[in-house]
Amino acid sequence: AQSVTQLGSHVSVSEGALVLLRCNYSSSVPPYLFWYVQYPNQGLQLLLKYTSAATLVKGINGFEAEFKKSETSFHLTKPSAHMSDAAEYFCAVRGGSSASKIIFGSGTRLSIRP
Amino acid sequence: ETGVTQSPTHLIKTRGQQVTLRCSSQSGHNTVSWYQQALGQGPQFIFQYYREEENGRGNFPPRFSGLQFPNYSSELNVNALELDDSALYLCASSREGAPDTQYFGPGTRLTVL
Repeated sequence: AQSVTQLGSHVSVSEGALVLLRCNYSSSVPPYLFWYVQYPNQGLQLLLKYTSAATLVKGINGFEAEFKKSETSFHLTKPSAHMSDAAEYFCAVRGGSSASKIIFGSGTRLSIRP
Repeated sequence: ETGVTQSPTHLIKTRGQQVTLRCSSQSGHNTVSWYQQALGQGPQFIFQYYREEENGRGNFPPRFSGLQFPNYSSELNVNALELDDSALYLCASSREGAPDTQYFGPGTRLTVL
Protein backbone atom coordinates (compact mmCIF):
# COMPACT_ATOMS: atom_id res chain seq x y z
CA ALA A 1 0.00 0.00 0.00
CA GLN A 2 1.08 3.54 -0.67
CA SER A 3 1.77 6.01 2.13
CA VAL A 4 3.80 9.08 2.94
CA THR A 5 5.31 10.21 6.24
CA GLN A 6 6.13 13.83 6.89
CA LEU A 7 8.85 14.35 9.45
CA GLY A 8 8.10 17.29 11.71
CA SER A 9 4.63 18.68 12.21
CA HIS A 10 6.03 22.20 12.58
CA VAL A 11 9.10 23.82 11.05
CA SER A 12 10.19 27.38 11.81
CA VAL A 13 12.85 29.23 9.79
CA SER A 14 14.04 32.81 9.54
CA GLU A 15 13.17 34.92 6.54
CA GLY A 16 15.87 34.38 3.91
CA ALA A 17 16.93 31.00 5.32
CA LEU A 18 16.75 27.63 3.60
CA VAL A 19 13.43 25.80 3.82
CA LEU A 20 13.58 22.00 4.08
CA LEU A 21 10.42 19.98 4.58
CA ARG A 22 10.91 16.23 4.81
CA CYS A 23 8.80 13.49 3.28
CA ASN A 24 9.40 9.76 3.02
CA TYR A 25 7.21 7.49 0.95
CA SER A 26 6.27 3.85 0.83
CA SER A 27 5.03 2.44 -2.43
CA SER A 28 4.70 -0.99 -4.00
CA VAL A 29 4.82 0.53 -7.48
CA PRO A 30 6.88 3.37 -8.96
CA PRO A 31 5.42 6.33 -7.13
CA TYR A 32 3.81 9.49 -8.36
CA LEU A 33 4.55 12.06 -5.66
CA PHE A 34 3.19 15.51 -4.95
CA TRP A 35 3.63 18.51 -2.72
CA TYR A 36 0.65 20.71 -1.95
CA VAL A 37 0.39 23.96 0.01
CA GLN A 38 -2.62 25.10 2.02
CA TYR A 39 -2.94 28.70 3.18
CA PRO A 40 -5.26 29.44 6.10
CA ASN A 41 -8.94 28.95 5.28
CA GLN A 42 -8.17 27.93 1.71
CA GLY A 43 -8.05 24.76 -0.35
CA LEU A 44 -4.90 23.00 -1.48
CA GLN A 45 -2.67 24.26 -4.27
CA LEU A 46 -0.34 21.94 -6.19
CA LEU A 47 3.29 23.03 -5.78
CA LEU A 48 4.91 20.31 -7.85
CA LYS A 49 4.67 16.65 -8.83
CA TYR A 50 7.05 13.83 -9.67
CA THR A 51 6.03 11.37 -12.37
CA SER A 52 9.22 9.34 -12.95
CA ALA A 53 10.87 11.80 -15.32
CA ALA A 54 13.62 14.06 -13.91
CA THR A 55 14.45 13.35 -10.26
CA LEU A 56 14.73 17.06 -9.47
CA VAL A 57 11.34 18.67 -9.86
CA LYS A 58 10.84 22.41 -9.93
CA GLY A 59 7.57 23.88 -8.81
CA ILE A 60 5.90 27.19 -8.27
CA ASN A 61 7.01 29.95 -5.90
CA GLY A 62 10.67 28.86 -6.04
CA PHE A 63 10.12 25.43 -4.47
CA GLU A 64 11.73 22.25 -5.70
CA ALA A 65 11.88 18.63 -4.59
CA GLU A 66 14.30 15.81 -5.25
CA PHE A 67 13.20 12.19 -5.66
CA LYS A 68 15.71 9.81 -4.05
CA LYS A 69 14.75 6.19 -4.57
CA SER A 70 17.57 4.84 -2.40
CA GLU A 71 16.30 6.91 0.53
CA THR A 72 12.58 6.66 -0.38
CA SER A 73 12.47 10.41 0.11
CA PHE A 74 10.93 13.39 -1.64
CA HIS A 75 11.98 16.40 0.42
CA LEU A 76 10.79 19.91 -0.45
CA THR A 77 13.26 22.80 -0.46
CA LYS A 78 13.42 26.51 -1.13
CA PRO A 79 16.72 28.38 -0.97
CA SER A 80 15.39 31.54 0.66
CA ALA A 81 12.21 31.70 2.75
CA HIS A 82 9.76 34.54 2.36
CA MET A 83 7.10 35.61 4.84
CA SER A 84 4.43 34.64 2.31
CA ASP A 85 5.62 31.00 2.45
CA ALA A 86 4.01 30.54 5.87
CA ALA A 87 1.41 27.83 5.35
CA GLU A 88 0.67 24.11 5.79
CA TYR A 89 2.49 21.81 3.38
CA PHE A 90 1.34 18.33 2.46
CA CYS A 91 3.30 15.57 0.79
CA ALA A 92 1.16 13.09 -1.13
CA VAL A 93 1.38 9.94 -3.24
CA ARG A 94 -0.89 8.53 -5.88
CA GLY A 95 -2.79 5.50 -4.65
CA GLY A 96 -1.01 2.76 -6.55
CA SER A 97 -2.59 1.83 -9.85
CA SER A 98 -5.62 3.90 -9.00
CA ALA A 99 -5.01 7.36 -10.35
CA SER A 100 -8.21 8.47 -8.67
CA LYS A 101 -6.84 8.34 -5.15
CA ILE A 102 -4.31 10.77 -3.69
CA ILE A 103 -2.97 9.79 -0.26
CA PHE A 104 -1.81 12.72 1.86
CA GLY A 105 0.61 12.96 4.72
CA SER A 106 -0.35 14.63 7.97
CA GLY A 107 1.17 17.96 6.98
CA THR A 108 3.96 20.26 8.14
CA ARG A 109 3.21 23.77 9.28
CA LEU A 110 5.88 26.20 8.12
CA SER A 111 6.40 29.38 10.13
CA ILE A 112 8.68 32.19 9.01
CA ARG A 113 10.43 34.39 11.60
CA PRO A 114 11.13 38.00 10.60
CA GLU B 1 -11.08 30.38 -16.50
CA THR B 2 -13.25 29.70 -13.45
CA GLY B 3 -11.70 27.64 -10.67
CA VAL B 4 -13.32 25.04 -8.46
CA THR B 5 -16.10 26.48 -6.31
CA GLN B 6 -17.88 24.94 -3.34
CA SER B 7 -21.01 25.79 -1.42
CA PRO B 8 -21.82 26.51 1.28
CA THR B 9 -18.70 27.88 2.94
CA HIS B 10 -19.76 26.90 6.42
CA LEU B 11 -22.50 24.65 7.73
CA ILE B 12 -23.69 23.65 11.18
CA LYS B 13 -25.79 20.51 11.65
CA THR B 14 -26.83 18.33 14.54
CA ARG B 15 -26.10 14.67 14.99
CA GLY B 16 -28.40 12.40 12.96
CA GLN B 17 -29.20 15.01 10.32
CA GLN B 18 -28.36 14.80 6.65
CA VAL B 19 -26.24 17.25 4.65
CA THR B 20 -25.55 18.00 1.00
CA LEU B 21 -22.41 19.78 -0.14
CA ARG B 22 -21.94 21.11 -3.64
CA CYS B 23 -19.01 21.52 -5.99
CA SER B 24 -18.59 23.09 -9.40
CA SER B 25 -15.57 21.81 -11.26
CA GLN B 26 -13.07 23.90 -13.15
CA SER B 27 -13.96 24.60 -16.75
CA GLY B 28 -13.03 21.67 -19.00
CA HIS B 29 -12.64 19.19 -16.14
CA ASN B 30 -14.81 16.06 -16.13
CA THR B 31 -13.53 14.36 -12.98
CA VAL B 32 -14.38 15.34 -9.42
CA SER B 33 -12.84 13.98 -6.22
CA TRP B 34 -13.99 14.57 -2.64
CA TYR B 35 -11.80 14.63 0.45
CA GLN B 36 -12.41 14.97 4.18
CA GLN B 37 -9.87 16.97 6.17
CA ALA B 38 -10.23 16.71 9.93
CA LEU B 39 -8.65 19.42 12.04
CA GLY B 40 -4.86 19.09 12.11
CA GLN B 41 -4.78 16.23 9.62
CA GLY B 42 -4.20 15.70 5.93
CA PRO B 43 -7.11 15.23 3.55
CA GLN B 44 -8.53 11.73 3.21
CA PHE B 45 -9.96 10.50 -0.07
CA ILE B 46 -13.71 9.83 0.02
CA PHE B 47 -14.50 9.05 -3.63
CA GLN B 48 -14.10 10.19 -7.20
CA TYR B 49 -16.63 10.66 -9.99
CA TYR B 50 -15.84 10.46 -13.67
CA ARG B 51 -18.52 11.06 -16.30
CA GLU B 52 -21.27 10.67 -13.70
CA GLU B 53 -20.02 7.29 -12.40
CA GLU B 54 -18.16 6.54 -9.17
CA ASN B 55 -14.55 5.81 -10.11
CA GLY B 56 -12.86 4.86 -6.86
CA ARG B 57 -13.76 5.04 -3.21
CA GLY B 58 -11.82 5.42 0.01
CA ASN B 59 -12.50 3.87 3.39
CA PHE B 60 -15.76 5.69 4.14
CA PRO B 61 -19.11 4.10 5.08
CA PRO B 62 -22.06 3.99 2.66
CA ARG B 63 -23.76 6.92 4.40
CA PHE B 64 -21.27 9.01 2.41
CA SER B 65 -22.63 9.14 -1.12
CA GLY B 66 -22.22 11.32 -4.15
CA LEU B 67 -23.51 12.39 -7.50
CA GLN B 68 -22.06 13.94 -10.59
CA PHE B 69 -24.23 15.80 -13.05
CA PRO B 70 -23.96 16.13 -16.85
CA ASN B 71 -22.26 19.52 -16.44
CA TYR B 72 -19.67 17.74 -14.22
CA SER B 73 -20.70 19.52 -11.04
CA SER B 74 -21.01 17.24 -8.04
CA GLU B 75 -22.70 16.70 -4.70
CA LEU B 76 -21.53 14.98 -1.55
CA ASN B 77 -24.30 13.67 0.68
CA VAL B 78 -23.77 12.50 4.22
CA ASN B 79 -26.62 10.79 6.10
CA ALA B 80 -26.99 10.19 9.83
CA LEU B 81 -24.34 12.71 10.74
CA GLU B 82 -21.94 11.87 13.55
CA LEU B 83 -19.81 14.21 15.63
CA ASP B 84 -16.67 12.85 13.92
CA ASP B 85 -17.99 14.04 10.57
CA SER B 86 -17.03 17.57 11.61
CA ALA B 87 -14.31 18.52 9.13
CA LEU B 88 -13.37 20.56 6.09
CA TYR B 89 -14.71 18.88 2.97
CA LEU B 90 -12.66 19.53 -0.13
CA CYS B 91 -13.63 19.03 -3.71
CA ALA B 92 -11.04 18.72 -6.46
CA SER B 93 -11.46 18.55 -10.22
CA SER B 94 -9.19 17.19 -12.92
CA ARG B 95 -9.31 16.89 -16.67
CA GLU B 96 -9.53 13.89 -18.95
CA GLY B 97 -6.33 11.86 -18.94
CA ALA B 98 -4.82 13.59 -15.90
CA PRO B 99 -6.81 12.40 -12.88
CA ASP B 100 -3.94 12.88 -10.45
CA THR B 101 -3.43 16.57 -11.28
CA GLN B 102 -6.22 17.82 -9.10
CA TYR B 103 -7.31 21.41 -8.54
CA PHE B 104 -8.92 22.04 -5.19
CA GLY B 105 -11.75 24.27 -4.14
CA PRO B 106 -11.71 26.29 -0.89
CA GLY B 107 -13.75 23.69 0.97
CA THR B 108 -16.90 23.54 3.09
CA ARG B 109 -16.44 23.62 6.85
CA LEU B 110 -19.01 21.26 8.43
CA THR B 111 -19.63 21.34 12.15
CA VAL B 112 -21.78 18.63 13.71
CA LEU B 113 -23.14 19.37 17.17
